[in-house]
Amino acid sequence: DAKTTQPNSMESNEEEPVHLPCNHSTISGTDYIHWYRQLPSQGPEYVIHGLTSNVNNRMASLAIAEDRKSSTLILHRATLRDAAVYYCILSIIQGAQKLVFGQGTRLTINP
Amino acid sequence: EADIYQTPRYLVIGTGKKITLECSQTMGHDKMYWYQQDPGMELHLIHYSYGVNSTEKGDLSSESTVSRIRTEHFPLTLESARPSHTSQYLCASRGGTGDSKQYFGPGTRLTVT
Repeated sequence: DAKTTQPNSMESNEEEPVHLPCNHSTISGTDYIHWYRQLPSQGPEYVIHGLTSNVNNRMASLAIAEDRKSSTLILHRATLRDAAVYYCILSIIQGAQKLVFGQGTRLTINP
Repeated sequence: EADIYQTPRYLVIGTGKKITLECSQTMGHDKMYWYQQDPGMELHLIHYSYGVNSTEKGDLSSESTVSRIRTEHFPLTLESARPSHTSQYLCASRGGTGDSKQYFGPGTRLTVT
């Protein structure tokens, strides 16, 4: 499975945008970029995914580099409830879709 | 929102006991997964299923076993619990080809004394 690299931790302020980077230089053509987050004492929660084009949903935006070797998850206006560990994962969407979770980025939001 | 349930949420049990962790989903999803997560550590896939009567081992070797007799139910069993099995166990499910999201349950936190 292709690996991803994320910063161990990031900190931001409430109501400000947050940009969470992810590097995936060995991504293959069939790999989708998925983002999940895990709030304290909960199971992971799907955030967004994309293949080549930038994607937006009610939770976040995903900006994908033209060469697909990196991507950025954007939280447009962070709240305290966005404090979580954010995981960037590469996976195909057919078949078993075995997700390989790394260490992720622990996001702290300051009031 | 996803409807995936895990019971019990917390379990403290003595060494040598047999335990079954329950996972159920009401979405009719074919694919189901079990992950293991030690405190502060990464999640690791230990079992998955494509559908009824299908089970496969995941990337992390586990002494647990699973069964899939009904679509909605994917229990995980430890025949003889040991302290090394102390961990959080998370169940997930996913729908058809067009659904790329995995929906996770709240997890079972297991402590073996």
